[in-house]
Amino acid sequence: EVQLVESGGGLVKPGGSLRLSCAASGITFSGHSMNWVRQAPGKGLEWVSSTSSSSSYIYYADSVKGRFTISRDNAKNSLSLQMNSLTAEDTAVYYCARGIGGGGSRIEAFDIWGQGTMVTVSS
Amino acid sequence: DIQMTQSPSTLSASVGDRITITCRASQSISTSLAWYQQKPGKAPKLLIYKASSLESAVPSRFSGSGSETEFTLTISSLQADDLATYYCQQYYYFSTFGQGTKVEIK
Repeated sequence: EVQLVESGGGLVKPGGSLRLSCAASGITFSGHSMNWVRQAPGKGLEWVSSTSSSSSYIYYADSVKGRFTISRDNAKNSLSLQMNSLTAEDTAVYYCARGIGGGGSRIEAFDIWGQGTMVTVSS
Repeated sequence: DIQMTQSPSTLSASVGDRITITCRASQSISTSLAWYQQKPGKAPKLLIYKASSLESAVPSRFSGSGSETEFTLTISSLQADDLATYYCQQYYYFSTFGQGTKVEIK
C-alpha cells in the first residue's frame, strides 16, 4: 500500500523540543523531494519546509527558520523534522508530503500525503 | 513573500452546478500552481498541478486554468462527494497556500 506515516507528535511545553518522523512505504522515496506542511486547529495549510531528493537543497518558512531542521535518510525511506524552541503558534497537525517531480532544486506540487501527527505546545 | 488570495471563502451550490474558485497571486508565478481538496479530518489530496494538469485518478469534472497571477479551479458538475475545502498552492518561490474555499452543498 502506498503510504506515508507520521509519528512523534504530542504535548510539549513552550520552549521545548520535539522530533517528528515520516516513514514511507510502497512509494518511490529517494527520487523525490519531501516536505512538511502544518495546519493549526481550524485554520488553513501552511508550508513549513522542503528538502530535495539528495538533501542538497533545503528550504524553510520564515516562521520556523532557525528553529526547525528537516532531514532525510534515503536508505531508510524516512523523513524527519527536528523542532526546537517551540511556541503555542507551532500547535498544529503536521503532514509530510512527497513532491510530484524529480526531486531537484525546485519545490513542487505535493502528490502523496501522510495522515498527519498532532503537535500541541502548551504549559 | 508571495501571497495567495482565494475567492470566495465559502461557496454554497447545488448538485449538478458548475462552480469556479479563483486564486490570485501577489506576483507572477508562471504556472507553478496546484489545487488540493481537503475533506474534514483528512489529509489534503492533490487535484491539479502546473495550473491545469489533472492528477491521476482525479475525476474529469475537475479542471484548472490560468497563468501568471490569476488561476481558477472549476468543477463542471458538482457532486455531493465534493463537499470539502479547496486550497491553491504556489511553488514558484518557496511555497504558499491560499486561505481556502469551503464548498457547501445546498
